[in-house]
Amino acid sequence: DAKTTQPTSMDCAEGRAANLPCNHSTISGNEYVYWYRQIHSQGPQYIIHGLKNNETNEMASLIITEDRKSSTLILPHATLRDTAVYYCIATRSGNTPLVFGKGTRLSVIA
Amino acid sequence: KAGVTQTPRYLIKTRGQQVTLSCSPISGHRSVSWYQQTPGQGLQFLFEYFSETQRNKGNFPGRFSGRQFSNSRSEMNVSTLELGDSALYLCASKPGLAGAHYEQYFGPGTRLTVT
Repeated sequence: DAKTTQPTSMDCAEGRAANLPCNHSTISGNEYVYWYRQIHSQGPQYIIHGLKNNETNEMASLIITEDRKSSTLILPHATLRDTAVYYCIATRSGNTPLVFGKGTRLSVIA
Repeated sequence: KAGVTQTPRYLIKTRGQQVTLSCSPISGHRSVSWYQQTPGQGLQFLFEYFSETQRNKGNFPGRFSGRQFSNSRSEMNVSTLELGDSALYLCASKPGLAGAHYEQYFGPGTRLTVT
């Protein structure tokens, strides 16, 4: 699986969009980008995944650059409950195991 | 639909003892994976079971073992506990195996403390 690089931490004001970047410059053609998040002391939660097209669901949007070397997870209206560690993972579809890096600690501030 | 359940939620054991943790996947899910989370190493994959067979194994010593039952419930066992085994043990389930997209659904974890 391709290595991903994420900022260690980010802050976001409540109600504003949170944009979380991820670099995956060595991603291969059959690897998807998955995002999970982990709220303190809970199990990780799946957010969204994509291959090369932008994706949106009820939780977030995923923007993948045309060269697929980086992506951005967008939480359109961050709330305090979005405070969590966000993990970006590049992996083949349905592949196990998930390889979690350090992730980005997002703090949403009132 | 009920989520992934793990029992017990908290456990305190002494060095040298053994421990068994249990995981019940989401109904209909046949794959169960186990992960260990520590502050130093983060989230690390232990093993995956599908149809009662271990399909993948992470880089952990043989003291860590697991099994899956015919109803897809899974247990993991750690023998001869060490202080470094103190961690949050997470179980995740998904419908099938590799080859298709399946997001993993994680349970709340079992927090094991070894004294």
